[in-house]
Amino acid sequence: GIQVEQSPPDLILQEGANSTLRCNFSDSVNNLQWFHQNPWGQLINLFYIPSGTKQNGRLSATTVATERYSLLYISSSQTTDSGVYFCAVGANTDKLIFGTGTRLQVFP
Amino acid sequence: GAVVSQHPSRVICKSGTSVKIECRSLDFQATTMFWYRQFPKKSLMLMATSNEGSKATYEQGVEKDKFLINHASLTLSTLTVTSAHPEDSSFYICSARDPQGSDTQYFGPGTRLTVL
Repeated sequence: GIQVEQSPPDLILQEGANSTLRCNFSDSVNNLQWFHQNPWGQLINLFYIPSGTKQNGRLSATTVATERYSLLYISSSQTTDSGVYFCAVGANTDKLIFGTGTRLQVFP
Repeated sequence: GAVVSQHPSRVICKSGTSVKIECRSLDFQATTMFWYRQFPKKSLMLMATSNEGSKATYEQGVEKDKFLINHASLTLSTLTVTSAHPEDSSFYICSARDPQGSDTQYFGPGTRLTVL
């Protein structure tokens, strides 16, 4: 099956810093989503982005499907950005395969 | 965005008892729902795909007699953990795919199960 690796596994930032999270996947996909899991466990949809670039406020994402990776950019980070960021992919199926996650801690 | 609820949010039970977890799509109809399991500091692992009006499809290694799934309506899927044991303690999360939209999945808030 498809392997989904995320990097870095852990990231510690001071408030106001920018960061880039990476998601590599091992095969072609037609579904890719980014999620933020808050400290209470709720998964929050950030982007549905099987290809191209999208922006939403301080967050943006780019997926280069031909090279099998996606990037999530967080600018001017805030303490409320803390949590775990997951990418999840799907290939010709409803199922989503989740990546290994990046744990982000933002300190004041 | 679409809203998915889960109930209960947390449950503590004794070994040997069965626990039912409900997953509801509140503002849309979902022909397909998914059940995931997450261990502490780990990623989500898909357990099964729940299809309205038909049997669930289980992932390899997931015991279908242990984790009973019922999807009796377009807005409700239930997961019953039968004869629970401490190793079943975990965070269970459901999701629903909005058939009117893209392939986007929307997730419930999760249920934390602790088996004593």
